[in-house]
Parts: sequence; C-alpha cells; structure tokens
Amino acid sequence: DAKTTQPNSMESNEEEPVHLPCNHSTISGTDYIHWYRQLPSQGPEYVIHGLTSNVNNRMASLAIAEDRKSSTLILHRATLRDAAVYYCILRREGAQKLVFGQGTRLTINP
Amino acid sequence: DTGVSQDPRHKITKRGQNVTFRCDPISEHNRLYWYRQTLGQGPEFLTYFQNEAQLEKSRLLSDRFSAERPKGSFSTLEIQRTEQGDSAMYLCASSLLSVNEQFFGPGTRLTVL
Repeated sequence: DAKTTQPNSMESNEEEPVHLPCNHSTISGTDYIHWYRQLPSQGPEYVIHGLTSNVNNRMASLAIAEDRKSSTLILHRATLRDAAVYYCILRREGAQKLVFGQGTRLTINP
Repeated sequence: DTGVSQDPRHKITKRGQNVTFRCDPISEHNRLYWYRQTLGQGPEFLTYFQNEAQLEKSRLLSDRFSAERPKGSFSTLEIQRTEQGDSAMYLCASSLLSVNEQFFGPGTRLTVL
C-alpha cells in the first residue's frame, strides 16, 4: 500500500480556514485520495475523496497537486466541532480496505 | 437512528475468556468491515464481507479471531482466549457496493485484564 505522510498536529482558530497537507509521493495512477476524520470517542467519518481533479462538498474541499504527489484538505471556516484527527488515505481502485496512518490531530481555538 | 450500531459499547474481560461483538450495518449495505484501533493509532483493517461472503482477511487476524455474517445482515466478531494485547477499540463499518464511502459505527471498547 502506498504511504501517506501528514503532520502529527495542527492548530487553528475558529472561523478561519484550515489547510491540512498530505504527501503521497509513491501514489500510483489508480490510487484515489480519501480523507476521513475521527471526532473524539467516535468512529471515523468520511469527509471527501478524489482522483485527479479538485473536489468540493458540503464539508470540505480537496486540492490535488498536478503531479498527485500531494494533496490538501481545506476546511473553509473551521468550527469547534471540526476538532478531530484527520486521516489522508490512498485507496487503490477496486480495493475495499482503508489503510489508516496516524493522521493529523487538529485543534481549533475559540 | 439509521447508522451502524455495535453492541456492546464496552467489554471488560479476563485474559483467557472468549468475547463476541455484534455489528448491525446500515440497512441494505452489502459490504461490512471490521477494524481495530489501539490508543493513539489509526484503525487497522481486520476483515470484510460482501453479503455473507468473507472476501478478505488481514494477517492481523490470528486464529483466535473469527468473524461471521451468516445472513448477509449483521456480523459477529469473536475473539477466543483473549490476551492483554487484544485490548483495543473494535470498529465496524458498512458501505454499498457502488459507493466509496464507509460508514463507521461507534465501536466496542475491549479491555482485557
């Protein structure tokens, strides 16, 4: 499985945008980039996924580098409820399992 | 609530005992997954089912672990002869065949004394 690298922790302020980086230099052409987050005492929650183009949904945006070796999850306006561990995961087309790393622990300051 | 449910939420057992956990997926979700998460780590894949067929098992799943999904609906995960190293959060997730998103339950926290 291709590996992802994320900062262990990040901190931001409420109502400000947050950019969570992920490096995946060994990504292959059929690897999708998935982001999940895990709020305290809960199971992980799907956030967004993409292959090559940038993606937007109601929760976040995913910006994918042209060479696909890195990506950035963007929370446009962080709230206290966004405090969680964010996982960047590569998932090969057709594969079912998710391979989680250690993720980035995001702290939001009021 | 129509999400994934797991039972029990917490289980404390003594080393050497057998334990069984249950997962009820979202209705009509064909795929069901089990993961294990230890403190400070991301979840690790254990196994997954498509309907009643167990299609993939991790090497983490030792002979003491067995999972079933007899009618393609709920699933059970049994751990025999528990060891202290089995202490973890056991997470279940489900998904539709045609959708990438996995929906996770709240987990069962196992403590082996």
